[in-house]
Amino acid sequence: GAVVSQHPSWVICKSGTSVKIECRSLDFQATTMFWYRQFPKQSLMLMATSNEGSKATYEQGVEKDKFLINHASLTLSTLTVTSAHPEDSSFYICSARLTADTQYFGPGTRLTVL
Amino acid sequence: QKEVEQDPGPLSVPEGAIVSLNCTYSNSAFQYFMWYRQYSRKGPELLMYTYSSGNKEDGRFTAQVDKSSKYISLFIRDSQPSDSATYLCAMRNNQGGKLIFGQGTELSVKP
Repeated sequence: GAVVSQHPSWVICKSGTSVKIECRSLDFQATTMFWYRQFPKQSLMLMATSNEGSKATYEQGVEKDKFLINHASLTLSTLTVTSAHPEDSSFYICSARLTADTQYFGPGTRLTVL
Repeated sequence: QKEVEQDPGPLSVPEGAIVSLNCTYSNSAFQYFMWYRQYSRKGPELLMYTYSSGNKEDGRFTAQVDKSSKYISLFIRDSQPSDSATYLCAMRNNQGGKLIFGQGTELSVKP
């Protein structure tokens, strides 16, 4: 199956700092990638849809200036959490669309903001 | 009301049992239905994918969709300890549409 990687797998940062998370499709090109957030024992909530070469589309209630998304190539999308606060602590998961029918998920990044 | 409802469990069964996992939904426009398995601290892995109503079988797994009742199920036969994970249903209304996930059911299969 298609492989999607994320880096880092976990990160701890101080409140007020920015954190960048990378999502890579390793063996296929993805014009569309998705960023999700998952709180403990809760479902995946879509944050934004990232399209290569264009601006990301954010879901209602997600601050685009806080969660910066860049999809600079067909295999890489990045999510930067700016001025992180403890309430941003969560499990962030990306996925990459292989076909219109299928998307493959990365292993997730656990962010802890102190 | 959430678009997709799923009993969070936890569900604990003995090894070899038949497991039934279910989701209900409210949006009649949903056409594509998926089941994902997620191990602790890992990303979801696609298990089953079904379009519209009907059954689909893959090894020990069977997915059922009843659009008239807005109800989908995943059955796991001869459950194994390695099946212990959280199972998420997901659905969307068209090929490029946004995936809507259920809350996930935590399953534990005891040896």
